[in-house]
Amino acid sequence: NAGVTQTPKFQVLKTGQSMTLQCAQDMNHEYMSWYRQDPGMGLRLIHYSVGAGITDQGEVPNGYNVSRSTTEDFPLRLLSAAPSQTSVYFCASRRGESAVDSYEQYFGPGTRLTVT
Amino acid sequence: RKEVEQDPGPFNVPEGATVAFNCTYSNSASQSFFWYRQDCRKEPKLLMSVYSSGNEDGRFTAQLNRASQYISLLIRDSKLSDSATYLCVVSLNTGGFKTIFGAGTRLFVKA
Repeated sequence: NAGVTQTPKFQVLKTGQSMTLQCAQDMNHEYMSWYRQDPGMGLRLIHYSVGAGITDQGEVPNGYNVSRSTTEDFPLRLLSAAPSQTSVYFCASRRGESAVDSYEQYFGPGTRLTVT
Repeated sequence: RKEVEQDPGPFNVPEGATVAFNCTYSNSASQSFFWYRQDCRKEPKLLMSVYSSGNEDGRFTAQLNRASQYISLLIRDSKLSDSATYLCVVSLNTGGFKTIFGAGTRLFVKA
């Protein structure tokens, strides 16, 4: 099992550019989510999905879009990058509510994004 | 007020020392509690869940005090490899995705 994979590991964008951060998991987890981590702050939820075709907004969704066409993949799109989106982005997955230990989240290695 | 608060540290301790971290949460409806560990520039990984009766995993002991709304993590006989940031995590069993991460407490264990 590769677990949760993310690409790219590093990215530099100019203000106004768009891009997609990729996330995939091979554990057949129902739930997937995107977080951003900024210095001095906890991980903040951007968007999440409880299954293929179902997504919802988290705490800080503005400027980001997601889709979930398959169980495995959950890409995050930055529509028009801004310097405030400079952060480390983590994708995570976990089992659904009915599973034992469903609250343990498995994180990808992160994408470090800089917007200039 | 942050929903989950932790002392950011850093805690600088010698090898072999015992160190304790506390975390407070504001939502009394919180039902699931965890400690995650995050190494520098790496992803968070689950260290242990925290149960109402308290639980131990080797050198690590976690306690939950629902009345005072705090969680603690005790590390005994600290190792150099324990140096990391420890994240307190609180979840509501709402069926949604209400999981709140604390900002973390940094620990440095020195030889």
